[in-house]
Amino acid sequence: EIVLTQSPATLSLSPGERATLSCRASQSVSSYLAWYQQKPGQAPRLLIYDASNRATGIPARFSGSGSGTDFTLTISSLEPEDFAVYYCQQRSNCHFGQGTRLEIK
Amino acid sequence: QVQLVQSGAEVKKPGASVKVSCKASGYTFTGYYMHWVRQAPGQGLEWMGRINPNSGGTNYAQKFQGRVTMTRDTSISTAYMELSRLRSDDTAVYYCARDVLWRNWFDPWGQGTLVTVSS
Repeated sequence: EIVLTQSPATLSLSPGERATLSCRASQSVSSYLAWYQQKPGQAPRLLIYDASNRATGIPARFSGSGSGTDFTLTISSLEPEDFAVYYCQQRSNCHFGQGTRLEIK
Repeated sequence: QVQLVQSGAEVKKPGASVKVSCKASGYTFTGYYMHWVRQAPGQGLEWMGRINPNSGGTNYAQKFQGRVTMTRDTSISTAYMELSRLRSDDTAVYYCARDVLWRNWFDPWGQGTLVTVSS
């Protein structure tokens, strides 16, 4: 079973700063990784699929990279609405990472 | 636009069953898998399984095998998830989510249905 580990658990940054979130797989998932954003009281939203493709309507400040076992979600310049929890997910057994909480510093 | 609208909150006793519905609109219902994901209070996301609305074929996460049943009614573009033998740790928000590109990515999601299991 493939396990996804996200780091850090919590990331404290200020608006305008760059955010880098990590997701590591216990074995290779090729480029089959997605990222989701979840705000309090809301359903998750797909941001990135196939490691680096932005979903429809997702701003260009969100980008994904990586392949194999190491993946990164980058938010180039944080907007106030970006503070949320972010999950990675792989497609073979549809499991999610445990999440990274991005909070305002 | 593509929209998934779920049924309302439920309160159940331990040992009972719950059936959550997910009505799809804005696209061809039979053209996309439908997934079910749950989230316990303050916890992460847990995939439960998926249904092919065209064939009715299902794939369930091992954890839920024997307790979950996913069905659909194509005449009303609605998917269902029934969970039986409920326990207190089944208390969670249950989401339906449409598949993307037949690749087990989820977009969009329903608004979620809170199921509370309590004696």
